[in-house]
Amino acid sequence: GAVVSQHPSWVICKSGTSVKIECRSLDFQATTMFWYRQFPKQSLMLMATSNEGSKATYEQGVEKDKFLINHASLTLSTLTVTSAHPEDSSFYICSATLPPGELFFGEGSRLTVL
Amino acid sequence: AQSVAQPEDQVNVAEGNPLTVKCTYSVSGNPYLFWYVQYPNRGLQFLLKYITGDNLVKGSYGFEAEFNKSQTSFHLKKPSALVSDSALYFCAVRSNAGKSTFGDGTTLTVKP
Repeated sequence: GAVVSQHPSWVICKSGTSVKIECRSLDFQATTMFWYRQFPKQSLMLMATSNEGSKATYEQGVEKDKFLINHASLTLSTLTVTSAHPEDSSFYICSATLPPGELFFGEGSRLTVL
Repeated sequence: AQSVAQPEDQVNVAEGNPLTVKCTYSVSGNPYLFWYVQYPNRGLQFLLKYITGDNLVKGSYGFEAEFNKSQTSFHLKKPSALVSDSALYFCAVRSNAGKSTFGDGTTLTVKP
């Protein structure tokens, strides 16, 4: 099946710094990617829809200035957590759509903000 | 608005016994239904999907799911559970616009 690569898998940063997470579709072009946040023992919360060449669409309650999403090419979307705080610590997962609509997920990125 | 319900937080079965993980959904139009499995600190892995056609869908690792339109259900099943099947399972529905909604997940524990 299609492969979505997410990097880094684990990241620890100090409060106030910014962290960038990359999501790549390795063997297909993805015009649309999705970013999710998952809290322990909870379901996935859709944060935003990343569209190649245009601005991301954020879900209600998600701060777009806090979570910057860039989808500069058909194979790469990035999520930057700006001025990270401990409450931003979470598991972030990206997914990409392969027509006719099947979702393929990255392996996730565990962010810990000290 | 679309929604997915997984009524059981936890399902426990003995190895070799059949397992069922329940899922009901609500969506406008034709449903696109999916099951995913998640192992600790990993992303989600696709198990199977229903788009159209036969109501019984067969997927990876011996799993299958039955689409029931009248009951708006899409239960995940496996005839004989393995200890390695222990994981977190998510049911999801996708709208025509492409947005997916996930259930809260069901933790499956298979005991030897």
